[in-house]
Amino acid sequence: EADIYQTPRYLVIGTGKKITLECSQTMGHDKMYWYQQDPGMELHLIHYSYGVNSTEKGDLSSESTVSRIRTEHFPLTLESARPSHTSQYLCASSGTGLQPQHFGDGTRLSIL
Amino acid sequence: AQSVTQLDSQVPVFEEAPVELRCNYSSSVSVYLFWYVQYPNQGLQLLLKYLSGSTLVKGINGFEAEFNKSQTSFHLRKPSVHISDTAEYFCAVNSGSQGNLIFGKGTKLSVKP
Repeated sequence: EADIYQTPRYLVIGTGKKITLECSQTMGHDKMYWYQQDPGMELHLIHYSYGVNSTEKGDLSSESTVSRIRTEHFPLTLESARPSHTSQYLCASSGTGLQPQHFGDGTRLSIL
Repeated sequence: AQSVTQLDSQVPVFEEAPVELRCNYSSSVSVYLFWYVQYPNQGLQLLLKYLSGSTLVKGINGFEAEFNKSQTSFHLRKPSVHISDTAEYFCAVNSGSQGNLIFGKGTKLSVKP
């Protein structure tokens, strides 16, 4: 079973707050990903990283930012949350080559 | 550009009946295909994958899928479903050697007693 953890699981917060969603994995995977998932829609890749100090934007434009200072940690930050940021955010990681991605349980974010 | 189409957004089926969830992809290069399952309030879990070799791929929980290159399809099947199979199923294609995935919109499987 994959060991990838996301906190918090649920967050309800007011507009304008700074938010950091945490994601950690204990598998030593170099590759990590953040997806945004809305009900009834496909997962959209918003950020990815192929290793420490490497981050890239994904296919879906996002106002969030990420950092990768340690292999196991890939936090996502929203500097000023807005209602349009309400969604589920899923973190994943994978090993080298075509190894499948392992997912965390997600953070369901609601901005009031 | 690669894309994935899941033809059915919802599939209701009775317990112990067979089921097929359809997935078509478009790609101009070699493809690597995946099926994931998402239970309520959880992340995605890998069901099975096709990277190369036999076109019939067996996965967990009794699911299997067949890669059909001529029809650009990767349909998921199970001969007899259980109530516990109720979940959302996502088909995905690898967008290149780096490992980024393109996902379909998902199919909600609802198994009724």
